Amino acid sequence: GESVGLHLPTLSVQEGDNSIINCAYSNSASDYFIWYKQESGKGPQFIIDIRSNMDKRQGQRVTVLLNKTVKHLSLQIAATQPGDSAVYFCAENMAGRTGNQFYFGTGTSLTVIP
Amino acid sequence: DGGITQSPKYLFRKEGQNVTLSCEQNLNHDAMYWYRQDPGQGLRLIYYSQIVNDFQKGDIAEGYSVSREKKESFPLTVTSAQKNPTAFYLCASSPTSGGNSYNEQFFGPGTRLTVL
Repeated sequence: GESVGLHLPTLSVQEGDNSIINCAYSNSASDYFIWYKQESGKGPQFIIDIRSNMDKRQGQRVTVLLNKTVKHLSLQIAATQPGDSAVYFCAENMAGRTGNQFYFGTGTSLTVIP
Repeated sequence: DGGITQSPKYLFRKEGQNVTLSCEQNLNHDAMYWYRQDPGQGLRLIYYSQIVNDFQKGDIAEGYSVSREKKESFPLTVTSAQKNPTAFYLCASSPTSGGNSYNEQFFGPGTRLTVL
């Protein structure tokens, strides 16, 4: 029979608008976070990272905000472009975890409407 | 160009056959990883290796095997014991093996395995 997979959260934005993608984590000891972008059929690409001693970090058109109190991470993309359409997911690491292992979120699918 | 290569991009196999997925990196990274990605799920770690001739099981190692004979190479074999092998497989590497330091993991382009 047909197998149906889980559906990713989705976000649709108009070209030129700002996008906000959210990620919640559960481990209060997590202290390093990365946002990845994954285009269809491709491997994930690093966008930006942040350590727990920071609340905010900015890159080119992207900003990551970290709220350790509520264990929440967000990725803001300014002036969203069609090339930003992809799945975005967060990854977390923590001190003492062997092998530089990350745990990954399920992702949010961003669609930019021209 | 430096990077991680995975081959082939698409792979089809009959049920009951073992299949080996290739992963090569020329980034001089110590650590390498294999993940499985299924629709609507986060990446799940199959195996990782922090150094040549050593590797550790991840969260879903059953039905898989790996080797790390060279720093540059970390092939993954999907055996007939893996009950649901159809998935997108991603290889990654990082320049450190952990401890109290962190480094980004760099990903290859992935191999989509379909078992018929």
